[in-house]
Amino acid sequence: GAVVSQHPSRVICKSGTSVKIECRSLDFQATTMFWYRQFPKQSLMLMATSNEGSKATYEQGVEKDKFLINHASLTLSTLTVTSAHPEDSSFYICSAKPPNTEAFFGQGTRLTVV
Amino acid sequence: QKEVEQDPGPLSVPEGAIVSLNCTYSNSAFQYFMWYRQYSRKGPELLMYTYSSGNKEDGRFTAQVDKSSKYISLFIRDSQPSDSATYLCAMSAGGNNRLAFGKGNQVVVIP
Repeated sequence: GAVVSQHPSRVICKSGTSVKIECRSLDFQATTMFWYRQFPKQSLMLMATSNEGSKATYEQGVEKDKFLINHASLTLSTLTVTSAHPEDSSFYICSAKPPNTEAFFGQGTRLTVV
Repeated sequence: QKEVEQDPGPLSVPEGAIVSLNCTYSNSAFQYFMWYRQYSRKGPELLMYTYSSGNKEDGRFTAQVDKSSKYISLFIRDSQPSDSATYLCAMSAGGNNRLAFGKGNQVVVIP
């Protein structure tokens, strides 16, 4: 199957700082990527849909200014958590989905804000 | 009614047993059906992918889709301790439509 690489796998940052998470599709072009958040023992919660060359579409309740998404190329989308707070600590996962095929997920990023 | 319903379990079975998981859904536009396996602190990995109704078998795994009943299933034969994970069902209408996920089933296979 296709490969989606997510980096970093784990990050610890101080409260008030910003953290950038990268998601790359390694062997296919992805016009659309998805960013999810997952709390312990919960399912994936879609945060936003990242569209190459245009603004991301955010789900209801997700702060656009806090979770900045950039999809500058067909193989790279980034999620920046700005002014991070302890309540932003979570597991963030990206996925990329070529049209009419299954979605492939990155390895996830565990963010801890101290 | 939620788009996708999946009883979160957890489900404990002895090694060698058959694991049976299922999801129901409400959106008749869904055409693509997937099962993902997620180990703790890892991203989901695709197990099975099915288009429209029917059965699909891959080794010890069998996926079934019944679109008339809006019901999908995953069976794991001869379960192993390494099958212990959370299993998520997911589905989409196709194109670049987003996936709708179930809550996930935590499965524990006891040696």
